Amino acid sequence: RKEVEQDPGPFNVPEGATVAFNCTYSNSASQSFFWYRQDCRKEPKLLMSVYSSGNEDGRFTAQLNRASQYISLLIRDSKLSDSATYLCVVNGGVDYKLSFGAGTTVTVRA
Amino acid sequence: SAVISQKPSRDICQRGTSLTIQCQVDSQVTMMFWYRQQPGQSLTLIATANQGSEATYESGFVIDKFPISRPNLTFSTLTVSNMSPEDSSIYLCSVEGLAGVSTDTQYFGPGTRLTVL
Repeated sequence: RKEVEQDPGPFNVPEGATVAFNCTYSNSASQSFFWYRQDCRKEPKLLMSVYSSGNEDGRFTAQLNRASQYISLLIRDSKLSDSATYLCVVNGGVDYKLSFGAGTTVTVRA
Repeated sequence: SAVISQKPSRDICQRGTSLTIQCQVDSQVTMMFWYRQQPGQSLTLIATANQGSEATYESGFVIDKFPISRPNLTFSTLTVSNMSPEDSSIYLCSVEGLAGVSTDTQYFGPGTRLTVL
């Protein structure tokens, strides 16, 4: 079983729509959770960290459910510039190593 | 965050040769890592670059194939040795432990796109 699993998508949504997707992780000892954004042929860039019960940053909301071992990302009022692959990243809990999901692709159309 | 640069940004190499990739950070960091990302896949950790000691390699990666140096807190190199077409990938360095930033948050360099013919 993979340490971090994501729905690969793609999620094709119109501008202004809301899109949400989840990520599940296998290590119950994980302590830190992140969403990174990766544009085509670019490096991953930190979108937001997810701690405790989740947090919000502008149009982006991340939720953490420790009992069910998943985190989610919700994007409100989607912009064309939100088109990217979103990587779910989890701290393994045992050491400093991060585990990466394979990514969820979001395409926002005009 | 920090400014992280990698050289070269891309290269096309012949099989059997070696390429050294450099990663430079504009501030001191605690941890530096090297990842590989093959087309359409997520990131795989190659090794942790330890300052002043041998790198710590992940399963499936060995020092003879991927020698790593980290002479100080702002610089590291990864060498891809005796290359084959299977080594074609994007190689990314990342850093952790920036001043004022939560530990275990990593920031990535722009990557080196390697093609082996």
